[in-house]
Formats: sequence, structure tokens, C-alpha cells
Amino acid sequence: DTEVTQTPKHLVMGMTNKKSLKCEQHMGHRAMYWYKQKAKKPPELMFVYSYEKLSINESVPSRFSPECPNSSLLNLHLHALQPEDSALYLCASSQEGITAYGYTFGSGTRLTVV
Amino acid sequence: TQLLEQSPQFLSIQEGENLTVYCNSSSVFSSLQWYRQEPGEGPVLLVTVVTGGEVKKLKRLTFQFGDARKDSSLHITAAQPGDTGLYLCAGASTGNQFYFGTGTSLTVIP
Repeated sequence: DTEVTQTPKHLVMGMTNKKSLKCEQHMGHRAMYWYKQKAKKPPELMFVYSYEKLSINESVPSRFSPECPNSSLLNLHLHALQPEDSALYLCASSQEGITAYGYTFGSGTRLTVV
Repeated sequence: TQLLEQSPQFLSIQEGENLTVYCNSSSVFSSLQWYRQEPGEGPVLLVTVVTGGEVKKLKRLTFQFGDARKDSSLHITAAQPGDTGLYLCAGASTGNQFYFGTGTSLTVIP
């Protein structure tokens, strides 16, 4: 299995809602990432988990809350989002510490905040 | 500060034309990757280059890593509509940090 699976593919939520994005990989990768991407722009790093522990938080607002329940799963909990948070949210994984091999990305969740 | 600058930012060409995308930096990278991202999908890794001066070919795509490992180029021969997408270079620094380039949006018109 060489895929990163993200669900849901599309999500529309109100500013008072609570929702979660899910990501799963079974490649044995020990580093997992959340990225935010606006149209035709490069992905922006949000969080990095290494061996199931949060290692990097790129000053992301607290309305985004990551969670890594085990080595295969990564969640992003969303609460009280703003319309400007609308974007494509990408999950990626890699062999820990060996970024030379690049990342495997999921297809993303297209989030719209209304 | 954006470490990796890509040019051009946008490119629209006719099917069958050739094109080159550049990825430039003042920093040295231990490796550099190129990704292609189609609308509504995540980026897909095309190639990794690790040695200065390295050239890799993937069908009609040719990738080159600069001798000083600060820049890279992607050349596409006889572009096809299926090549349409966002092309991203990404570099791994010697400190194992990972940086995406600014992106090049390519449209190939049939």
C-alpha cells in the first residue's frame, strides 16, 4: 500500500461547527504532516508529527488542533473556523529524517467555511 | 523568506511545444524534488535529484540539478494537455528542513 488516504474529500462547515479531517497511511512512515494550500500556491506547512509526537507547529491558530492516535493515523480537528480558512488541506507522510526521498501526499480535503 | 523561487509563475502553451521551468535559490540543498499537482489532487512526486550536475529523464521530462546544488530545471518536450498542472520544486536542506518552491502553473492547450 503506497497511498495516503484522506477523508472527507470535500467539507462545507459553518463558523460555529466542529469537524475533523482524517488521514491514514500504511507505508510504515513515521513522519506525518498537515499542509494548507490555496489555489495555485505552494502548500504551507502547518504541523509535523514524528513518531506520533508533535515536533513542529508552524504558529497555527488554536482553532486547528492536530492529533496522532497511532503511527498510521493523523487527524485535524477544526473548530470556530473563519472563511479565510477555506483551502485544500493536504496530509503527507515520509520516512522519518529522510526527506531526500520526498513526501507521499494524499488527495486532500477541500474545505469551505461559510 | 521564500528559499526557492520558480519561474515562470504561469505558463500557457500550445500542444507540441517545448518548455522549461526553473527553480532557483541562494541556498544549497542536499536533494531536490519535483512534484506535479493536478486540480483537486495532492502533489505527486516526479523525481528526486541528489548529485550536483545530475540529469534525470522521465519520458518527455528532463530534470537537472545545478552543479552547486542551488538550482534545478524541468524541461518538457512536446507538451501534451495531460501535462497541465501545478509544478512544484522542493528542496531538502542540509539541516533536513523541507521547502517548497513558489510553483509554476502550466496549461497546455490542445
